[in-house]
Amino acid sequence: QVTLKESGPGMLQPSKTLSLTCSFSGFSLSTSGMVVSWIRQPSGKSLEWLAAIDWDGDKYYNPSLKSRLTVSKDTSNTQVFLKITSVDIADTATYYCARSLLPGYNFDYWGQGVMVTVSS
Amino acid sequence: DIQMTQSPSVLSASVGDRVTLNCKASQNINKYLNWYQQKLGEAPKLLIYNTNNLQTGIPSRFSGSGSGTDYTLTISSLQPEDVATYFCFQHNSWYTFGAGTKLELK
Repeated sequence: QVTLKESGPGMLQPSKTLSLTCSFSGFSLSTSGMVVSWIRQPSGKSLEWLAAIDWDGDKYYNPSLKSRLTVSKDTSNTQVFLKITSVDIADTATYYCARSLLPGYNFDYWGQGVMVTVSS
Repeated sequence: DIQMTQSPSVLSASVGDRVTLNCKASQNINKYLNWYQQKLGEAPKLLIYNTNNLQTGIPSRFSGSGSGTDYTLTISSLQPEDVATYFCFQHNSWYTFGAGTKLELK
């Protein structure tokens, strides 16, 4: 059974660094073709793909946010992390992690999401 | 960037209706088009991948079609549990979602 769960600080101040964790089970990120992505959704709005890391440790970033994002994974291949630097109010959103098995970024399994509010 | 435009933004239909949702890409996306369903307070769920492939466990009343820049999601007979927002998503060149179509019961 594939499950993913995001965790994060809930609230943080502008200009700080947001750190998110995606913990998953039921699959291994060391499996060839496996990818974990981060996607966010401001309340009442659409979805935005942020970043991904694959089974080989290759990393991919949304070009519009690349300078602020860092995606990584743990050595046991059961957690993926995302850092977003210099947050502002526009980063307030629900953040999801989602799995894909290549070919194609199909996001077949999603976490429940974690709400992050940026506020002073 | 490839822009994805969904229409209509809101659709009201009755139980049993055949419903069609549209998604238009700003350039050819070679059928790399997925559809997701998001119910209130939940994560999105994959319905259709690569234009017309039904994800495992999804009812057969959902179907997808299209090519080039124009794609559709069809629900052959609307059920009450289909009330949700539907997003299209392209993965031909980077990854972008449409703004969504909110499907309501009339």
